[in-house]
Amino acid sequence: NAGVMQNPRHLVRRRGQEARLRCSPMKGHSHVYWYRQLPEEGLKFMVYLQKENIIDESGMPKERFSAEFPKEGPSILRIQQVVRGDSAAYFCASSPEYGREIPLHFGNGTRLTVT
Amino acid sequence: DAKTTQPNSMESNEEEPVHLPCNHSTISGTDYIHWYRQLPSQGPEYVIHGLTSNVNNRMASLAIAEDRKSSTLILHRATLRDAAVYYCILRIQGGSEKLVFGKGTKLTVNP
Repeated sequence: NAGVMQNPRHLVRRRGQEARLRCSPMKGHSHVYWYRQLPEEGLKFMVYLQKENIIDESGMPKERFSAEFPKEGPSILRIQQVVRGDSAAYFCASSPEYGREIPLHFGNGTRLTVT
Repeated sequence: DAKTTQPNSMESNEEEPVHLPCNHSTISGTDYIHWYRQLPSQGPEYVIHGLTSNVNNRMASLAIAEDRKSSTLILHRATLRDAAVYYCILRIQGGSEKLVFGKGTKLTVNP
């Protein structure tokens, strides 16, 4: 049973380019969370999605960032016109259902470097 | 967001037990206590969770105080692989019930 898969593991972009980060949840999981970890800082919640719906995007920057989780395929975190401050590790997590007692399963992240 | 307080860092010796404390004095009756850990260059890993009773699994034990205002994660025999940042998180009712990470406790395990 494969875990949460994120790709690419490392991504280098020049300022102004677009970054697309992909997350394939565990089999049977329909809930996805995205987190960002800046260097030497803690994990910050960005967005929570269920299939085809954004449930909570309270942690998403208001501009340049978007997320989707289509009916088929992985969840995508898209960052347009990247800036140096976007350099961070981006983690996604999945769960089979909604609930406070349900653990989240995390991937090993995509490390984005903006040059 | 419900707050937890953990020591910034702790040290242990290999093959000895480790007790990682967490204070959560503002916990409410429906909040779950979750523990995750993050090894270097990896994503967070679920360790254990509980509501009121003590819990055991293959990784660790969770001891919850009777008033639920504190809890302790117990690693029974620390190994070098247990060196990580350990996060104690309250998962509260309402909204997306997301995990809100604090700074955690950085555990160093000495050989």
